Order: sequence, then C-alpha cells, then structure tokens
Amino acid sequence: GQQVMQIPQYQHVQEGEDFTTYCNSSTTLSNIQWYKQRPGGHPVFLIQLVKSGEVKKQKRLTFQFGEAKKNSSLHITATQTTDVGTYFCAGHYGNKLVFGAGTILRVKS
Amino acid sequence: DGGITQSPKYLFRKEGQNVTLSCEQNLNHDAMYWYRQDPGQGLRLIYYSQIVNDFQKGDIAEGYSVSREKKESFPLTVTSAQKNPTAFYLCASSIRDERRGTQYFGPGTRLLVL
Repeated sequence: GQQVMQIPQYQHVQEGEDFTTYCNSSTTLSNIQWYKQRPGGHPVFLIQLVKSGEVKKQKRLTFQFGEAKKNSSLHITATQTTDVGTYFCAGHYGNKLVFGAGTILRVKS
Repeated sequence: DGGITQSPKYLFRKEGQNVTLSCEQNLNHDAMYWYRQDPGQGLRLIYYSQIVNDFQKGDIAEGYSVSREKKESFPLTVTSAQKNPTAFYLCASSIRDERRGTQYFGPGTRLLVL
C-alpha cells in the first residue's frame, strides 16, 4: 500500500538553530500537506503543496515539494520554543490521505 | 464558532465493554474521518465517510464500527473485539474534494482500558 516515510523521528535543537524534516513516497503524490501537533493537542493544517517543485514560505517555515512529486521538506529557520511539537506530512494518493509518522521537535532555550 | 467537537475528552473502558466516541462538526463538510494515534506514532485511518449513510474501512477497521446517519455526526464505537484500544482517537472532517481535502481535526478523545 501507499506509504509516506518521514525522517527524522525525533530532533532536539538549541533555540535559534535550524530544523528540517523530510518526507518520501515511493509513488507520485497528487499533493502533500503539512500539519503541526502541539504536545497534548491535535493536528492543525499548515500548508498544501500541489505543483512539482513548488516552494512556499510562512514566516520562518519553508516548504518544498520535489520535482517528481515524491518528496517534500519542511525547514524552520532559527527555531523558537513555540515551534515545539510534532510535524506531520500527509500525501494524497488519489482520494486517500496517508500520514507520515511525524517528526517530534524539541527546542532547548 | 465553526469547528469539530469530540466527547468525552477522556474515556475509560472495562474489559468486554463497548464504548462510543462522539464526533460532531458544524463546518458543513461532507467527509469525516476517524484516526487512531499511538504514542510516538503517526495517524492511522480507522474509518471514513464521504457522504451521509455511506462509509468505508480504513487501514485498521477491525474491532471498530461507525455510523453516518447525519452529515454533522460520525460516532465511533470501539467494540470488545478491539484487543488493544488504549490510544488517542482523532476525528476529522473535510470538503469532499478528492484532490485537496484539507482535514480539520477535533480535540481528540483519550481512551484507556481499566
């Protein structure tokens, strides 16, 4: 079945350092979405990428969708303590949304 | 306020007992979903419904049942056949757009087995 592999599983950074999480699919995706889940909370939609090679920015967050539409990344510049949480990618295969296992981000102040 | 509500926030189940988790949305979304989240893991799809009176099994449907009698409501029953029900259960909804479907999640229900 369709799978979205996400790495790393866990990352602990010093406040001010950068952070990147990666998603990979073995098959082409219709689009990819990113969600953030704060500790004890529920996933909240961040962004959707649709086009091959697309890059979108939200303040310190940069999202990329690969040229082959099989991989994606989320990069956070100069992390802050408010960035802590789990970041999930989710790939659309036709009408089915498949979530990656998530990357847990911890930020030391 | 528009959104998704889930109740209860915490639920305790005894051995051999069926329990029902509530999910209600007032976003006028056609599609609704149930996910299970275990510690340190991603979201696994249990059941989903694209329209009233219709639903499909997800990846881990065994031991669960659902109904979709109203557009706003998609309750999940965890039956006694589910041998390891302790988890965080998330309900979500989306527009019925097969190519986009941004999902809006409820606050979740934590189910614990006594």
